[in-house]
Amino acid sequence: ELKVEQNPLFLSMQEGKNYTIYCNYSTTSDRLYWYRQDPGKSLESLFVLLSNGAVKQEGRLMASLDTKARLSTLHITAAVHDLSATYFCAVDVGGSQGNLIFGKGTKLSVKP
Amino acid sequence: DTEVTQTPKHLVMGMTNKKSLKCEQHMGHRAMYWYKQKAKKPPELMFVYSYEKLSINESVPSRFSPECPNSSLLNLHLHALQPEDSALYLCASSQDPQGAQDYGYTFGSGTRLTVV
Repeated sequence: ELKVEQNPLFLSMQEGKNYTIYCNYSTTSDRLYWYRQDPGKSLESLFVLLSNGAVKQEGRLMASLDTKARLSTLHITAAVHDLSATYFCAVDVGGSQGNLIFGKGTKLSVKP
Repeated sequence: DTEVTQTPKHLVMGMTNKKSLKCEQHMGHRAMYWYKQKAKKPPELMFVYSYEKLSINESVPSRFSPECPNSSLLNLHLHALQPEDSALYLCASSQDPQGAQDYGYTFGSGTRLTVV
């Protein structure tokens, strides 16, 4: 059974600080996605990582993928309050049917 | 058009009611998905349609009945639901079933369902 584990599950940060969210998964996959979800809202796509060594950056967020270690990271640089949300990583099981398996999510709270 | 549109946004239904959720996309995507998300939990896959055919049914109770009338439209018919079925129901689409190439999955805004 595929497992996708995120840590930490809860993260309280001060504005201006840096931190990393980790996403480990238990099966071979070279496609991993990061999503943001605000309370009561849908999923906003942040990053699509499609190969080993992929690194993508958007604003204060940077995501990377190491398929050999089965690890993806989401690094937050100089956090601001607007980044407060829940962040999910999701692994594409692949095959002919397409199927996303989500981690439990990391609830990020950025305080002034 | 780069959106997945879901209607209604909110739905309250009794346990004896029959209702339907609707999902529409006009991006030419050939795979469409229903996910269920309980509060403070990650989304869980319910159904996958690939080229308008049901390809995955993740052991979902028969009180949930999906339908894909055409490549742009996905419905979820609800009948005799239980209060524990209350959740956010998310529709998603991808360019093709094999993980959507470079574009990933596009999620709709969801329908928040409350069963009373």
